[in-house]
Amino acid sequence: EADIYQTPRYLVIGTGKKITLECSQTMGHDKMYWYQQDPGMELHLIHYSYGVNSTEKGDLSSESTVSRIRTEHFPLTLESARPSHTSQYLCASSELKADVYGYTFGSGTRLTVV
Amino acid sequence: AQSVAQPEDQVNVAEGNPPTVKCTYSVSGNPYLFWYVQYPNRGLQFLLKYITGDNLVKGSYGFEAEFNKSQTSFHLKKPSALVSDSALYFCAVSPPGEGNNRLAFGKGNQVVVIP
Repeated sequence: EADIYQTPRYLVIGTGKKITLECSQTMGHDKMYWYQQDPGMELHLIHYSYGVNSTEKGDLSSESTVSRIRTEHFPLTLESARPSHTSQYLCASSELKADVYGYTFGSGTRLTVV
Repeated sequence: AQSVAQPEDQVNVAEGNPPTVKCTYSVSGNPYLFWYVQYPNRGLQFLLKYITGDNLVKGSYGFEAEFNKSQTSFHLKKPSALVSDSALYFCAVSPPGEGNNRLAFGKGNQVVVIP
């Protein structure tokens, strides 16, 4: 079944650690996105990609980085986690015509930095 | 640039009553409009969309939305609320056309259905 997967679902980690949040989709979508969301709050786009080897920063400045080496994989990395990075991170993907088909979202990773 | 306004932070409704979640938009040209729902500790799920045609769009879980071009609105409604409808609802808009367009999301509305 075509879907989008995020791992881990929950992560508690100490300050200063390097972490990578995984996002994979099996739909062959060209476009992928990372959003940051505080509980019950609005979405903030932090990164997006329109294809392999294409990545762009989003509307909200973030200390995280992303890569897109394969179409199906769009991992997000924090080199040195801080408590201010505590949040929910949502990954999404879409076909090229995102305006017609909309986005498909993963279940999210809830990150807590202690 | 496109934008979406969801003016209310929270909508409280008694079970069995019809909930309305408001959304107004600003976009050049004819908009493509979407509603998503987010349950606790989950990602967003697609509810419905308006691309063209009939202004009343029906979607998942009994929800519907009416596109009103003159009022630039796309309010979400349901005939009768269930407790399980308690969730966060997001409206999104995109101008049609170029493939590089991204969806612009509203800030979200918390719907609380009171038993």
